[in-house]
This record gives sequence, structure tokens and C-alpha cells, in this order.
Amino acid sequence: DIQMTQSPSSLSASVGDRVTITCRASQSISSFLNWYQQKAGKAPKLLIYAASSLQSGVPSRFSGSGSGTDFTLTISSLQPEDFATYYCQQSYSNTRTFGQGTKVEIK
Amino acid sequence: QVQLQESGPGLVKPSETLSLTCTVSGYSISSGYYWGWIRQPPGKGLEWIGSIYHSGSTYYNPSLKSRVSISVDTSKNHFSLKLSSVTAADTAVYYCARDNLGLLGYWGQGTLVTVSS
Repeated sequence: DIQMTQSPSSLSASVGDRVTITCRASQSISSFLNWYQQKAGKAPKLLIYAASSLQSGVPSRFSGSGSGTDFTLTISSLQPEDFATYYCQQSYSNTRTFGQGTKVEIK
Repeated sequence: QVQLQESGPGLVKPSETLSLTCTVSGYSISSGYYWGWIRQPPGKGLEWIGSIYHSGSTYYNPSLKSRVSISVDTSKNHFSLKLSSVTAADTAVYYCARDNLGLLGYWGQGTLVTVSS
């Protein structure tokens, strides 16, 4: 299995802050890395696919980068609606795996 | 607009088989894509269970493979999950999703399944 490790597990930030979440794969996954946002009580929502491509309708303050084993999700200016849990997920292998999640909380 | 809706019992007894169905609207399963199941124990992260192609080809999470079966019924435009020999550790919100080569772009709202006697 390909293991996905996110850091940090949680963070506190203020509206307007720049936020960065990292995701590391246990082996190279090229750019087969996706990011999801999940709000409490809701299904996850696809934000970014193929490491850096923005899903349709997702605000441009979200961006992704990386390839191989190390990836980053950046929120350039945190908005109130961005407080949520974020998950990375690899689609390199037919057996998909998620990171453990990063909870972004209000400071 | 593609929509997915999970259905099935909300309570399952230990050692029994959990059975859920995901009904798809707005898209014909037989037209393509994989279709997957993901679960989330209360307060915990997401776990991919498995995915099935419209032709019936499947991929399963190795940690669940011995207990999982996913099937598809294109005539009813739905796909189903069976998880056998359940324990309290299988208590979770179960989601279905459209799996586009690993991109989970459309999700159901999720259904809570509790394993308890």
C-alpha cells in the first residue's frame, strides 16, 4: 500500500492568513495527488486534482504543488468558509489511499 | 447533474453482513467510470473501501478485501456494498462516489451505519 502522511494534523489560523498543508507519499506517485475539503457533517469536496489543477468552481485562493513524494496545498488568504478538514489522496495506485486529514480551525 | 444516494439499514448486529446500495441519477453507470465506496468512523478520517467498473471489475482495500464485495446493477443504475462479519470498528458514515481514475468528484451525502447488538 502507498501510505499518505499529512502535516500538521491541525492548525489554528486567522482570516486572511496564508495556510500551507503538506502531504508526503511513501513512494513516488508522480502527480497523482488530489485534495479534498470536508466540512462538518458533509461529504468531502474535490478541490485540486493532479497535484495542481483546480477543480471547476473552486476559488483561486486554493493552489496545489508538488510531484513525486512531496505535495503542498496552499490557501493564500484564509476565508471564514475555509475552516474545515483537508485530506490528500493518491490516485497513482488502483488501491486509493487518503492522508489522515488536517483540521483548520479559527484562531 | 450527477447525484448519488446511499441507502440501507442504519443498524447492523455484530458478526452480520452490512449491505448498502448507491443509486445514481443524472448519469448512466453503463456509460463508464469506476464507482466507489468510502467510509469515515465517527471523528476519524476517510478510508477507501473499494471501487467497481461498470463492467464489474473491482479493486478493494487490502485491509478489507477478505470481507468486502462490491457489485453493480446497470439495469437499476446502482451499485452495492457488502461487508461481512462486522464489528463495532465498522461503525462509520459510508459514502459512495464516482471514481474517475481516482478522482472522487461526485459523492453521496453519506449514511451512518452503527454496528451494535
